[in-house]
Amino acid sequence: DADVTQTPRNRITKTGKRIMLECSQTKGHDRMYWYRQDPGLGLRLIYYSFDVKDINKGEISDGYSVSRQAQAKFSLSLESAIPNQTALYFCATSPGWGGPRETQYFGPGTRLLVL
Amino acid sequence: GQQVMQIPQYQHVQEGEDFTTYCNSSTTLSNIQWYKQRPGGHPVFLIQLVKSGEVKKQKRLTFQFGEAKKNSSLHITATQTTDVGTYFCAGSMLTFGGGTRLMVKP
Repeated sequence: DADVTQTPRNRITKTGKRIMLECSQTKGHDRMYWYRQDPGLGLRLIYYSFDVKDINKGEISDGYSVSRQAQAKFSLSLESAIPNQTALYFCATSPGWGGPRETQYFGPGTRLLVL
Repeated sequence: GQQVMQIPQYQHVQEGEDFTTYCNSSTTLSNIQWYKQRPGGHPVFLIQLVKSGEVKKQKRLTFQFGEAKKNSSLHITATQTTDVGTYFCAGSMLTFGGGTRLMVKP
């Protein structure tokens, strides 16, 4: 959805570099998520945030950190990028918990290549 | 933790044939969601199932939630080339299945 934007859309970086992926949303949702997609592995949760003061680790948080700067912004950082972090990264939002409020709205994705 | 498995991983069909993907959870789900990701795109929400044994239809797509709320299926009748993409199920703990990639030959 255009309501969830990610920058950059594509990024090439070198091993050891620090990079930040940014996500912004205009949906007014409290909950935001970062996922990583690798071929054949589906979507794996890296971090999630239920509000500005709440940050939680997901299934594969090692090597990543996040910052929730505002309700609308959730950034993902790779402190020292390594080649196996090459993947497609998605940000998503949801209104809340329970029933249709759990529906997730995804951004267009950031394709990251670590050389 | 909760694990969600999907089969098959890939499916090639001839246009007009039916297609089914299955989703199985290691734990009971409060609800299950289905998403579709077109090639080069992002996942888009299709539907949510909440009740045991629930069946919902969207045109040629039929979604079922198992009686024990541990499995679900998506069936597409008479596939079209517009159905091409990867279909994901997602459990209630932010756990996605590995997806089924559907390819349709015209």
